[in-house]
Amino acid sequence: DAGITQSPRHKVTETGTPVTLRCHQTENHRYMYWYRQDPGHGLRLIHYSYGVKDTDKGEVSDGYSVSRSKTEDFLLTLESATSSQTSVYFCAISDSTGTGVSGANVLTFGAGSRLTVL
Amino acid sequence: GQQLNQSPQSMFIQEGEDVSMNCTSSSIFNTWLWYKQDPGEGPVLLIALYKAGELTSNGRLTAQFGITRKDSFLNISASIPSDVGIYFCAGQEVSNYKLTFGKGTLLTVNP
Repeated sequence: DAGITQSPRHKVTETGTPVTLRCHQTENHRYMYWYRQDPGHGLRLIHYSYGVKDTDKGEVSDGYSVSRSKTEDFLLTLESATSSQTSVYFCAISDSTGTGVSGANVLTFGAGSRLTVL
Repeated sequence: GQQLNQSPQSMFIQEGEDVSMNCTSSSIFNTWLWYKQDPGEGPVLLIALYKAGELTSNGRLTAQFGITRKDSFLNISASIPSDVGIYFCAGQEVSNYKLTFGKGTLLTVNP
């Protein structure tokens, strides 16, 4: 997966418990993203980071927080997990925004973390 | 937020058949990307398109950037069983580097 490692790959937890998913990259890419994938919804952006300690919200950020203390790590935290947060979570990285004359914001994805909240 | 309309949602075809799928948007995009997701894996980039009217091939896959910059098409020729998976389009607007993804097309190929 091009130097992207997500952990854990699978987790089952109970409602109300905190959960942290980790994304680790060895590509030294500046931009990192967390998406969730649900049937009928495709991929939806939760949070993203454009540098160390620089993060912003995506379209479905409620109930989630993120932190990026190092270039290589981007953590997604569910402070109090709910059943609606049962999903497959994907981390993605890119080294460009693609808003210049050439290129594009091509994302490389991790293998995913499947979270089940009972 | 911005949504892409990707169709069809699913396809069931016989091995050897050709496949077409497309995405449309109400916004103008400066980049279109096509990804494939195998079961249990993350999406992998298939083709990137950067210019209106551009036609790009990758093996049996061909994708086009619509001239209106609001649509894109992906064709797969002579399908094989390993083509099974979910295909996503993604678009990038001129002033926003975040990608918008379609909801995916689930492709099943019967041997």
